[in-house]
Amino acid sequence: NAGVMQNPRHLVRRRGQEARLRCSPMKGHSHVYWYRQLPEEGLKFMVYLQKENIIDESGMPKERFSAEFPKEGPSILRIQQVVRGDSAAYFCASSQTQGAVRETQYFGPGTRLLVL
Amino acid sequence: GQNIDQPTEMTATEGAIVQINCTYQTSGFNGLFWYQQHAGEAPTFLSYNVLDGLEEKGRFSSFLSRSKGYSYLLLKELQMKDSASYLCAVRDPTGNNRLAFGKGNQVVVIP
Repeated sequence: NAGVMQNPRHLVRRRGQEARLRCSPMKGHSHVYWYRQLPEEGLKFMVYLQKENIIDESGMPKERFSAEFPKEGPSILRIQQVVRGDSAAYFCASSQTQGAVRETQYFGPGTRLLVL
Repeated sequence: GQNIDQPTEMTATEGAIVQINCTYQTSGFNGLFWYQQHAGEAPTFLSYNVLDGLEEKGRFSSFLSRSKGYSYLLLKELQMKDSASYLCAVRDPTGNNRLAFGKGNQVVVIP
């Protein structure tokens, strides 16, 4: 399966713990996007990364959240000291290039984070 | 900023046609996408419009009017498996490729 992979699919954390969400883009894709979906809400953009670079993090909270996409390995979204409001589905998407007229983002199955 | 509006839910009968509307307000325009999302699953790409008019893809068609800030997704010959949420998204006009999504329209197909 050459689709976007995310793990874990479900993650339970207690308040104050750290959450690490992983995303492996589709084969041949070098652009990764993270979105968050709260219950009854639409998907909200968080961050856009290329290999080793953060291109746009305007949608990511300034504190406790960070993202990386190293030269080797998956992209990681890290949430430190989680709070109940962080409970949501976190989706990763990837694309082959940026800005091509018909460039499409393909989504992974998401990680559902529950903070107790 | 970008504002995308979609009705929240509709019910339709198997075999029927349903139209899902999306209106948007953006400071520029760089393409509109439709995705399908089944409960608990990933959004899957359905269609893309950047020019005015109708794009047809099998049972699904999508229409765009840039002057009206309006798009619709047309689902024909509805099947039970079409029960899902349909998401409208516009691409950021500054070229960053990020998508701004509406809340989605839940379509329930009944026998």
